[in-house]
Amino acid sequence: GENVEQHPSTLSVQEGDSAVIKCTYSDSASNYFPWYKQELGKRPQLIIDIRSNVGEKKDQRIAVTLNKTAKHFSLHITETQPEDSAVYFCAASSSGGSNYKLTFGKGTLLTVNP
Amino acid sequence: ETGVTQSPTHLIKTRGQQVTLRCSSQSGHNTVSWYQQALGQGPQFIFQYYREEENGRGNFPPRFSGLQFPNYSSELNVNALELDDSALYLCASSPDSSTDTQYFGPGTRLTVL
Repeated sequence: GENVEQHPSTLSVQEGDSAVIKCTYSDSASNYFPWYKQELGKRPQLIIDIRSNVGEKKDQRIAVTLNKTAKHFSLHITETQPEDSAVYFCAASSSGGSNYKLTFGKGTLLTVNP
Repeated sequence: ETGVTQSPTHLIKTRGQQVTLRCSSQSGHNTVSWYQQALGQGPQFIFQYYREEENGRGNFPPRFSGLQFPNYSSELNVNALELDDSALYLCASSPDSSTDTQYFGPGTRLTVL
């Protein structure tokens, strides 16, 4: 089955700096890669996603890049703010029949220091 | 449009007991997936329900079972609870089974003593 590795497990940056989180996946059939932000005690919130027919996608301060050949994708957050502090999860979607199961990485705890 | 809701918020059970968790999908969504999130880990797929039928299952034993109702709400049942079942249980809904985007509920925190 699919396996998703995520690095780093913790990341501390100064407010205004950029943050980059990287993930690799194993199943070449995966074609959907969402990123979720989870604040303490709250639900995972979808912040951006990318499909395999696209190499990069941006939404304001957040961007995701995908390299299908190398099977890795990355989340880039620019001009970080304290409210960006949270755990970020990458995931890959492997479809078994008509079922879109998400396989998650172990998460990255991002701390943005004021 | 209402988001995904789950009940209860927290639950404490003892080993060997049975538990039922509930999920109401987002308005217009007919597919519900359940995930287990252990402390410090990413969510792990338990199973998915589409139009009242199980539509895929992860590596969880048969004591984890589910139901989906005609209004697309869903239940997760866990029998013979073990200490390792302590986790946050999340449900996520999708517009249909062929859509990969999933929206999560707030979760139910289950503690097994």
